[in-house]
Amino acid sequence: NAGVTQTPKFQVLKTGQSMTLQCAQDMNHEYMSWYRQDPGMGLRLIHYSVGAGITDQGEVPNGYNVSRSTTEDFPLRLLSAAPSQTSVYFCASSYELASRYEQYFGPGTRLTVT
Amino acid sequence: GQSLEQPSEVTAVEGAIVQINCTYQTSGFYGLSWYQQHDGGAPTFLSYNALDGLEETGRFSSFLSRSDSYGYLLLQELQMKDSASYFCAVESGANNLFFGTGTRLTVIP
Repeated sequence: NAGVTQTPKFQVLKTGQSMTLQCAQDMNHEYMSWYRQDPGMGLRLIHYSVGAGITDQGEVPNGYNVSRSTTEDFPLRLLSAAPSQTSVYFCASSYELASRYEQYFGPGTRLTVT
Repeated sequence: GQSLEQPSEVTAVEGAIVQINCTYQTSGFYGLSWYQQHDGGAPTFLSYNALDGLEETGRFSSFLSRSDSYGYLLLQELQMKDSASYFCAVESGANNLFFGTGTRLTVIP
């Protein structure tokens, strides 16, 4: 089992560019989510999915889109990158998006927007 | 809304015991969990408490008091490899998991 994988590991974008952060899991988890982590801010939920074809917004969804066409994949799209989106992005999967179930995190994507 | 408070930094000596506190305010509470994150790494799950009391897993224990909206993570027999950030997280309502801002633990020889 690879667990949760994310690509790329590092990315530099110019303001206004768009890109997609990839996330895949091989644990057959229904729940997947995206977090961003900024210094001193902890992890904040961007979007989540409770299964293929179903997505919803988290705490900080503006500027991001998601889709879930398969159980395995949950890409995060930045529509028009802004410096405020410079952050570390983590994808996670779990049996359910609930604190009682372990969230398995990917290794993260470190994004810099100039 | 939700809020979680943790100390930003804690320093402890190798071999000692350290307690990391977490107080929370949330509308609707299901449980409190703890995650560890080493520098440059991903968060990893440590423990979960839904009911009042102490849960023990090896050198790590976690405590919850629902009436006080308070929990803590207890690390015993500290090792240098325990130097990391520790986050508490609460589930508030359906599909909403909120993390605290983290406590950076430094273990010194």
